[in-house]
Amino acid sequence: AQSVTQLGSHVSVSEGALVLLRCNYSSSVPPYLFWYVQYPNQGLQLLLKYTTGATLVKGINGFEAEFKKSETSFHLTKPSAHMSDAAEYFCAVRITGANNLFFGTGTRLTVIP
Amino acid sequence: DADVTQTPRNRITKTGKRIMLECSQTKGHDRMYWYRQDPGLGLRLIYYSFDVKDINKGEISDGYSVSRQAQAKFSLSLESAIPNQTALYFCATSDGLAGSYEQYFGPGTRLTVT
Repeated sequence: AQSVTQLGSHVSVSEGALVLLRCNYSSSVPPYLFWYVQYPNQGLQLLLKYTTGATLVKGINGFEAEFKKSETSFHLTKPSAHMSDAAEYFCAVRITGANNLFFGTGTRLTVIP
Repeated sequence: DADVTQTPRNRITKTGKRIMLECSQTKGHDRMYWYRQDPGLGLRLIYYSFDVKDINKGEISDGYSVSRQAQAKFSLSLESAIPNQTALYFCATSDGLAGSYEQYFGPGTRLTVT
């Protein structure tokens, strides 16, 4: 069963526009949730994570994500895209009882000047 | 210096050859992982290890083997490489402390099997 789904393999936004990358998970129990970013020719870097507590999580580079249990979602947003945000973004979940993370298929973000 | 290093960074090999990818970490983490990344498929777990004496298969372990030589070293072997093992391979580490599940990734090894 798919644990995490990222809608949209490619997203394009204009510089300065809102960035919205979608992630939905499948779990009856709230999991731990992560967003990672991969810049060209680099490994994955943690952007932010949700474990417990406040459902709005702030990360690096102006990104934030909100855990919505009723929607089983953890969408990533940034108010104003910058050219340097162009990268591939991965949502990941740790399902309760699991020993590892499950990654989505990734969303490639293109920022148009 | 990088906390998680992988060698080699790029490798081209021929079908049937044995190849080893190596991963070292200086983060002091006890957990280590090997993933492969393919376009459109995201990251898929090959093997993981929670300490030197613990090795576990992941989602796609067929055709691969691993060795945890020390807490800081975790190597991935392809005994007889085949073209569909062409991919980007990542090593990752995590701390085994309760509540700490984020993983830290190496820069990746791009493997091409011809």
